[in-house]
Amino acid sequence: GAVVSQHPSWVICKSGTSVKIECRSLDFQATTMFWYRQFPKQSLMLMATSNEGSKATYEQGVEKDKFLINHASLTLSTLTVTSAHPEDSSFYICSARADGLAAEQFFGPGTRLTVL
Amino acid sequence: DAKTTQPTSMDCAEGRAANLPCNHSTISGNEYVYWYRQIHSQGPQYIIHGLKNNETNEMASLIITEDRKSSTLILPHATLRDTAVYYCIVRVGAGGSYIPTFGRGTSLIVHP
Repeated sequence: GAVVSQHPSWVICKSGTSVKIECRSLDFQATTMFWYRQFPKQSLMLMATSNEGSKATYEQGVEKDKFLINHASLTLSTLTVTSAHPEDSSFYICSARADGLAAEQFFGPGTRLTVL
Repeated sequence: DAKTTQPTSMDCAEGRAANLPCNHSTISGNEYVYWYRQIHSQGPQYIIHGLKNNETNEMASLIITEDRKSSTLILPHATLRDTAVYYCIVRVGAGGSYIPTFGRGTSLIVHP
């Protein structure tokens, strides 16, 4: 299957700083990318859907000014957690989908964010 | 997307078949059944999907009942590395727009 990478795989930052997480589709062009958040012992929660070249669509309860999503190219989407706080500590997972691949969804390995 | 119901947890002996059930009684005619799994601290991994017919690949088999209201994922010879949370998702397939949402899944523990 297609490969999706995330960088970094883990990050520790101080409260109040911003953190950028990259999601790349390595061998296909991703028209749509999704960002999920997963707290310990819980399921994945969809945060937002982004389509290349347009603004992301955020799920209810997700602050768009805090979680900035950019999908500037067909192989790269970024999630920036602005002014991070300890409650933002979580496992962030992206997934990518290309229309030509029967709408299949491929997931990245995740990024563990710890805010001190 | 139709909602799914899965047992919270299951366990299985190594080398035996693991049968993971999923109920999706409100599934629509154009909705597929997808299975993913998530090993601890990793992203979800696609396993298999199907519409009406049973499906088999190198990872697993998917058995869908004739009325399509339930399905079973079968790992024929479970190994310790199959310990993971397994998610059953029902969604529109190719060409459709959908919001990929995950339920709580089934935590499968494979023991020696």
